[in-house]
Amino acid sequence: SQTIHQWPATLVQPVGSPLSLECTVEGTSNPNLYWYRQAAGRGLQLLFYSVGIGQISSEVPQNLSASRPQDRQFILSSKKLLLSDSGFYLCAWTSGGFGDTQYFGPGTRLTVL
Amino acid sequence: AQKVTQAQTEISVVEKEDVTLDCVYETRDTTYYLFWYKQPPSGELVFLIRRNSFDEQNEISGRYSWNFQKSTSSFNFTITASQVVDSAVYFCALSPKGTGRRALTFGSGTRLQVQP
Repeated sequence: SQTIHQWPATLVQPVGSPLSLECTVEGTSNPNLYWYRQAAGRGLQLLFYSVGIGQISSEVPQNLSASRPQDRQFILSSKKLLLSDSGFYLCAWTSGGFGDTQYFGPGTRLTVL
Repeated sequence: AQKVTQAQTEISVVEKEDVTLDCVYETRDTTYYLFWYKQPPSGELVFLIRRNSFDEQNEISGRYSWNFQKSTSSFNFTITASQVVDSAVYFCALSPKGTGRRALTFGSGTRLQVQP
């Protein structure tokens, strides 16, 4: 069966510091991968998605970037965090075919102080 | 452009009451999927159901049921005999069918509180 992992689970970072959040999927190959952000008390906003290694599409211009160095690994990064980057970050995967259900990881709660 | 509207921000019921969560969507796609996810206090989004736009049959799973009406662009979710464990934020979402992006467009969520 497929499993999706995210780490760290929680993170408190000062403004201006770098960021690296990691997401890995097990039990599937060539998944579509997604990064979403959920601000406090709000819905989910798509940040990036990837249909393959090295293929990244950005949905919202911002302070963040994403990379996919391996088939089942998706990384969210920032060189300098802003207060507005605080939120709950969720990674999701779906198969590359017509199986359109997205399955989400446990999320990373990021607080920028 | 796609849009999902969940007009109910928060609903509070007493245990064993039935509750319906509303979802209205907008899309120009002729084929699409609709979803419901549950977000308990832990934060993880739990998949509940996927519905293909071609399939308007209602679905029942235990205490959960879903009413999909294409004519009114609605996909409502009913919990029968609610329990405290049903307390969570529920999200309705929409995605196009096909390859490529297929990202989800989420509604803003409905917070359900079930009081004992």
